[in-house]
Amino acid sequence: AAGVIQSPRHLIKEKRETATLKCYPIPRHDTVYWYQQGPGQDPQFLISFYEKMQSDKGSIPDRFSAQQFSDYHSELNMSSLELGDSALYFCASSPRRGEPNEKLFFGSGTQLSVL
Amino acid sequence: AQSVAQPEDQVNVAEGNPLTVKCTYSVSGNPYLFWYVQYPNRGLQFLLKYITGDNLVKGSYGFEAEFNKSQTSFHLKKPSALVSDSALYFCAVRDLWNRDDKIIFGKGTRLHILP
Repeated sequence: AAGVIQSPRHLIKEKRETATLKCYPIPRHDTVYWYQQGPGQDPQFLISFYEKMQSDKGSIPDRFSAQQFSDYHSELNMSSLELGDSALYFCASSPRRGEPNEKLFFGSGTQLSVL
Repeated sequence: AQSVAQPEDQVNVAEGNPLTVKCTYSVSGNPYLFWYVQYPNRGLQFLLKYITGDNLVKGSYGFEAEFNKSQTSFHLKKPSALVSDSALYFCAVRDLWNRDDKIIFGKGTRLHILP
């Protein structure tokens, strides 16, 4: 079965550079979530999209932005990268909210290292 | 705002013994509750969820969890632990009252199954 696809798997950037992370949800899933997980930390919710509109926002820095496109894939754009941005970034998708089969399906994540 | 507490950073259990990983939650209304497992350098994998209905929920790999509304708890259990159950376990909650999209994760509990 198709899963959530994230690219790239690994990304190395220097301070003040920009990065773009991509997420391709499971087909027919209309909700996408982005989470940031630092080393030894729990996943922190960043932002979510439902039907291509931002649906909820968490602890996402102003330097970050995200969007969901017409084909439901999502991109997380990160600018002016800082050392503290080094983390594992997960994307998750879910079928329609409130339905009995609602649950998050996670991608394998993008490991971002800022040097 | 919703929150999740996992009071134990680590739980050690001998193989074959029953295991319990504790979770308590706080929400304004009715909760969606989830358990996820994470293996090293991997995304989170869904184990089980509670939305409504029976308080005892059965999930993947022989795990189950009991929803206790009066104690606001959702402890994860398994009657007989396997070494392969060793991993990081996250409890998560979504607050239906606020109609938030975000699912908030606990800090995680590292489960060690001793041979």
